[in-house]
Amino acid sequence: AQSVTQLDSHVSVSEGTPVLLRCNYSSSYSPSLFWYVQHPNKGLQLLLKYTSAATLVKGINGFEAEFKKSETSFHLTKPSAHMSDAAEYFCVVSDFEGGSYIPTFGRGTSLIVHP
Amino acid sequence: DTGVSQDPRHKITKRGQNVTFRCDPISEHNRLYWYRQTLGQGPEFLTYFQNEAQLEKSRLLSDRFSAERPKGSFSTLEIQRTEQGDSAMYLCASPRELEGNEQFFGPGTRLTVL
Repeated sequence: AQSVTQLDSHVSVSEGTPVLLRCNYSSSYSPSLFWYVQHPNKGLQLLLKYTSAATLVKGINGFEAEFKKSETSFHLTKPSAHMSDAAEYFCVVSDFEGGSYIPTFGRGTSLIVHP
Repeated sequence: DTGVSQDPRHKITKRGQNVTFRCDPISEHNRLYWYRQTLGQGPEFLTYFQNEAQLEKSRLLSDRFSAERPKGSFSTLEIQRTEQGDSAMYLCASPRELEGNEQFFGPGTRLTVL
């Protein structure tokens, strides 16, 4: 069975400082991993994805994530936060268990950016 | 705009009424997923279709919920005898066939049961 844990429900940073959103996963197979962002009253948007290619994945808006199998982690980072980054972020694991892709979402991390 | 549309965007109903939501996925995507998202939570999987076949259903999907995808195009999600606990955002997504199941989400239908 697959699962995902987002280690922080809220992360607060100042504009211009680095962002770290933490995600640990569990999977019996070789998983695909994703980060999605949800701005208030907007739909879910894919930030980046890992699908067994390069372990360091670059996404949109300057975000990156590194797949670390030994640590079962897929943390999301950004060197410098912008006010527009304030949103809810979801880590997602999806493997081919039982012949179906059934994504499992984390509970979300709310990113707060202070001026 | 992801290319996935949902209708209606908002629905307010009284407890005990039936409601139906519609999702139009990206036309060339064969699979279609339904999720439910409550406040402060991530989306939870409800069910998914491969063309017109419903292949998986979550234990979250009680007997009051039914989903269809006639002809493998649009899909409907019906909730019968709604309860206040059904209040949530209902999301539809259609994934790429390859690339690890990257999902394209619709804007959602927000259901409020009074």
